[in-house]
Amino acid sequence: EDKVVQSPLSLVVHEGDTVTLNCSYEVTNFRSLLWYKQEKKAPTFLFMLTSSGIEKKSGRLSSILDKKELFSILNITATQTGDSAVYLCAKFTNTGGFKTIFGAGTRLFVKA
Amino acid sequence: DADVTQTPRNRITKTGKRIMLECSQTKGHDRMYWYRQDPGLGLRLIYYSFDVKDINKGEISDGYSVSRQAQAKFSLSLESAIPNQTALYFCATGAQGNTGELFFGEGSRLTVL
Repeated sequence: EDKVVQSPLSLVVHEGDTVTLNCSYEVTNFRSLLWYKQEKKAPTFLFMLTSSGIEKKSGRLSSILDKKELFSILNITATQTGDSAVYLCAKFTNTGGFKTIFGAGTRLFVKA
Repeated sequence: DADVTQTPRNRITKTGKRIMLECSQTKGHDRMYWYRQDPGLGLRLIYYSFDVKDINKGEISDGYSVSRQAQAKFSLSLESAIPNQTALYFCATGAQGNTGELFFGEGSRLTVL
């Protein structure tokens, strides 16, 4: 089964805090691991990870993949209220054809 | 204009009615997907298609059907809507190649009374 599990499901922090969001996945037909941010509407793409140990970075956001332990983390440093969103982790797989399977998401709320 | 367009954006209907959600894209992508989003459940895959002759069931296809009328168009139908199909529906496209990045429409909010 292609399962993606995210934790925590929700998180409340104060501006300036650093947060780490977790994502674990099943290894079957793994192609890549993706992170998306969803505010009010459609998810927007953040990162795609295919190789272990190589950090992807964009401003205050960074992500890394561990293909041995089958997990990824998304870090956000110096959080701002604009970081409040649902963060979705997804696995791109070739089980029954190429498709992207999502986790339930982590809802992050950053307090001013 | 958006690259992936969904219509309608909002719809309220009654139990038993037939509903069609339409999706069109200008990205030239072969892969198209329909997802459903419910609070706390992330995005769940309903159907996906790699070309007009290739349709595949996703995790939760029961109660839904799809039609890929052209490379750029992929519609989702609820033959007889029921209240637990109330959700936010997203269409997405994906490019050929070994990448999972998806490009989403703005979503269609469906309420079944």
